[in-house]
Amino acid sequence: SSELTQDPAVSVALGQTVRITCQGDSLRTYPANWSQQKPGQPPVLVIYYNDKRPSGTPYRFSGSTSGNTASLTITGAQAEDEADYYCDSRDSSGHLWLFGGGTRLTVL
Amino acid sequence: DVQLLQSGAEVKKPGESLKISCKTSGYNFPDLWIAWVRQVPGKGLEWMAMIYPGDSDTRYSPSLQGHITVSVDKSTSTAYLEWKSLKASDTAMYYCTRGTGYYFDDWGQGTLVSVSS
Repeated sequence: SSELTQDPAVSVALGQTVRITCQGDSLRTYPANWSQQKPGQPPVLVIYYNDKRPSGTPYRFSGSTSGNTASLTITGAQAEDEADYYCDSRDSSGHLWLFGGGTRLTVL
Repeated sequence: DVQLLQSGAEVKKPGESLKISCKTSGYNFPDLWIAWVRQVPGKGLEWMAMIYPGDSDTRYSPSLQGHITVSVDKSTSTAYLEWKSLKASDTAMYYCTRGTGYYFDDWGQGTLVSVSS
């Protein structure tokens, strides 16, 4: 497959749990990463290699994968988590790269 | 500290050429990939190309192959993204980011390119 598919928008109540998903055939072979982007800023890596947290990523962020779907879960969403979230991975050939279309998270 | 410092905003006309830069520091430049990512205002991230400075292995998005060129100068730890002939549709924010081959962990601040007649 030559694409990664994300839901365009998701909302969550403050303090609740939200899952953002990313689907693509290449995810059966290659790990997924997740980046957070706030308005006017470059993206920031929050999860890499499916489920690894860079230093600085809050523990409420976690990642998982199953089959062709990767997930980013925020447990106890905070107001500052409101942002766009992008998944990325190699494409099915392994030679090129893909970004998902992005999911806008609104914290209510 | 790892830093990727990008060149400043550009305003160009269609058909003009442009080369923007990404100067890196804080790590061994030849050891990690540099990718270029485009973001049209209000839209998502789009992977454009990446280059491995160690051996200049270069990969391009099929949709942009032939329209852009990526290169590096190992002596200054700097990566470049170049257009020979800009189009209005090239108007976007451009980010450089460094990667291991499996993920991109540090990003430049972005270079805004505006192309208009």
